[in-house]
Amino acid sequence: DVKVTQSSRYLVKRTGEKVFLECVQDMDHENMFWYRQDPGLGLRLIYFSYDVKMKEKGDIPEGYSVSREKKERFSLILESASTNQTSMYLCAIGAGTEFYGYTFGSGTRLTVV
Amino acid sequence: KNEVEQSPQNLTAQEGEFITINCSYSVGISALHWLQQHPGGGIVSLFMLSSGKKKHGRLIATINIQEKHSSLHITASHPRDSAVYICAVGGTSYGKLTFGQGTILTVHP
Repeated sequence: DVKVTQSSRYLVKRTGEKVFLECVQDMDHENMFWYRQDPGLGLRLIYFSYDVKMKEKGDIPEGYSVSREKKERFSLILESASTNQTSMYLCAIGAGTEFYGYTFGSGTRLTVV
Repeated sequence: KNEVEQSPQNLTAQEGEFITINCSYSVGISALHWLQQHPGGGIVSLFMLSSGKKKHGRLIATINIQEKHSSLHITASHPRDSAVYICAVGGTSYGKLTFGQGTILTVHP
């Protein structure tokens, strides 16, 4: 089975802290994604990466950055956490086609206080 | 207007009922995905389809490419089917998905 592992299930951070969310995959897949999920807004794409050191902004990149130094690891960085970044963060890998689907991590529920 | 619209947003059913969730999209796609998320749980992929119909147990997914519409059916619904069902469409750009808002399904015993 494909594994997408997010380092923390629950995280509480203070406003202004630098926060790192880690995602590791075991499928050697090129495409990795970071989404946030909020009630009433659904899932929204923050950043994605299609190869090592390659990254593209998604729909809501403000306040976030990413790092992909190795193919299996994709990190989401909150440079200075704010309360409006309290959310569920989901990492995913995949091609989104009928034959190469999508696998999600179990999510990190981040609370910024 | 969202690129992916689901209906209904909330659905309540009695155990055993036949359930239909609809998804309409306005963009070109390579595939449509139906996803399931139980309360407090992660997201799992139920179906990926680009044409026709797929069946897995009590779940059936159909897609009409010309009408840009898909349906997810659950036959003989059960309380364990209670979850959020999410429709997502994938284009051709690096596998990015665009998601619907989700349908909250509650099945009562």
